Amino acid sequence: GESVGLHLPTLSVQEGDNSIINCAYSNSASDYFIWYKQESGKGPQFIIDIRSNMDKRQGQRVTVLLNKTVKHLSLQIAATQPGDSAVYFCAESSSSYKLIFGSGTRLLVRP
Amino acid sequence: DGGITQSPKYLFRKEGQNVTLSCEQNLNHDAMYWYRQDPGQGLRLIYYSQIVNDFQKGDIAEGYSVSREKKESFPLTVTSAQKNPTAFYLCASRTSGQETQYFGPGTRLLVL
Repeated sequence: GESVGLHLPTLSVQEGDNSIINCAYSNSASDYFIWYKQESGKGPQFIIDIRSNMDKRQGQRVTVLLNKTVKHLSLQIAATQPGDSAVYFCAESSSSYKLIFGSGTRLLVRP
Repeated sequence: DGGITQSPKYLFRKEGQNVTLSCEQNLNHDAMYWYRQDPGQGLRLIYYSQIVNDFQKGDIAEGYSVSREKKESFPLTVTSAQKNPTAFYLCASRTSGQETQYFGPGTRLLVL
């Protein structure tokens, strides 16, 4: 799959390929990061999170990588499926009560 | 079923009218949030409440009001002072001590 930054809002991948969605965050004091998936007309759904004391965390078919040096977060989806088509948001937090959301990346899966 | 419910799914507002969006959760979460989402954009925080009978303004609170009289309920009123209310409104909640917020299905508000 190809990687894009948030300045390119759409990522198109072939079914079965791996997807990489990137996110740059702004606050070096942020210590918690989270990825959400939002399907059209629905609320965001939690995918995976990571704390700043880690640089990688794996879930089922998803991996989040955190590079604090360059303030960069990525979401990797293995063997992308049509059901993965959605908008993906990253969010950061430097306090327990407030999340700051990115503008999102749309993932399109080609059959 | 446990979760967060929002009603109605679609809401129409006439000029000069106040409308109230409902958000209920049975997850026993302490904190609740309201976000606004415009097409192709991220979520912006309107109001949040960390405990019953207490709430704080978020980044775009003007033209909105909330109440938190019960732990499970956090209704949002879109007042006539909100000049551009058309958007998708999302409610979220989280448990104390955890940052992860869980979202409801959303209410789409349209202006007639």
